[in-house]
Amino acid sequence: GAGVSQSPSNKVTEKGKDVELRCDPISGHTALYWYRQSLGQGLEFLIYFQGNSAPDKSGLPSDRFSAERTGGSVSTLTIQRTQQEDSAVYLCASSLQGTNEKLFFGSGTQLSVL
Amino acid sequence: SQELEQSPQSLIVQEGKNLTINCTSSKTLYGLYWYKQKYGEGLIFLMMLQKGGEEKSHEKITAKLDEKKQQSSLHITASQPSHAGIYLCGADGSGNTGKLIFGQGTTLQVKP
Repeated sequence: GAGVSQSPSNKVTEKGKDVELRCDPISGHTALYWYRQSLGQGLEFLIYFQGNSAPDKSGLPSDRFSAERTGGSVSTLTIQRTQQEDSAVYLCASSLQGTNEKLFFGSGTQLSVL
Repeated sequence: SQELEQSPQSLIVQEGKNLTINCTSSKTLYGLYWYKQKYGEGLIFLMMLQKGGEEKSHEKITAKLDEKKQQSSLHITASQPSHAGIYLCGADGSGNTGKLIFGQGTTLQVKP
């Protein structure tokens, strides 16, 4: 596609429910990133994919968070048993190869856990 | 692990004034990126610096990377309301592996 697409743009859920956030990177981009941005905070790195594998999952805050990428394209970030502290904007980005390249960001998913 | 510290955290300037935002790393930077974010939107790429002493300009924005590659500055000349937003610096956190980490951001307001 023309840019990085994320869906949904907004998600309101109840505490304890599971949510899935989707990222559709720019066609041909092999590297895909997930970040979290809490109110007034910078970007917190969550996970990085190169193709379908994730060389670095170090940023996932707990085992309630998981992510996968299939076909070297679309990625899904899943949060199980959501907590209020999970409320944030989840940003996805992609780049052509992943090293020394600029990232193209999606507009993010605003997650609100009530 | 590498950390990026930005200063100031927030800045309010009068339209037409110059301003500088700084980004300091605890380790040598392999690549330093500047992004701008407007409320409710994703990040827009501004510039990337890789070499010590490198300087790049785009319109009224100039970014520099010091010789030791541990500090970068972003300078805006004759600021305009359109420059308002959050400026973030980012860098490869593990040394050329592709994992980009970001500073906490600098919020810029430009008063007309």
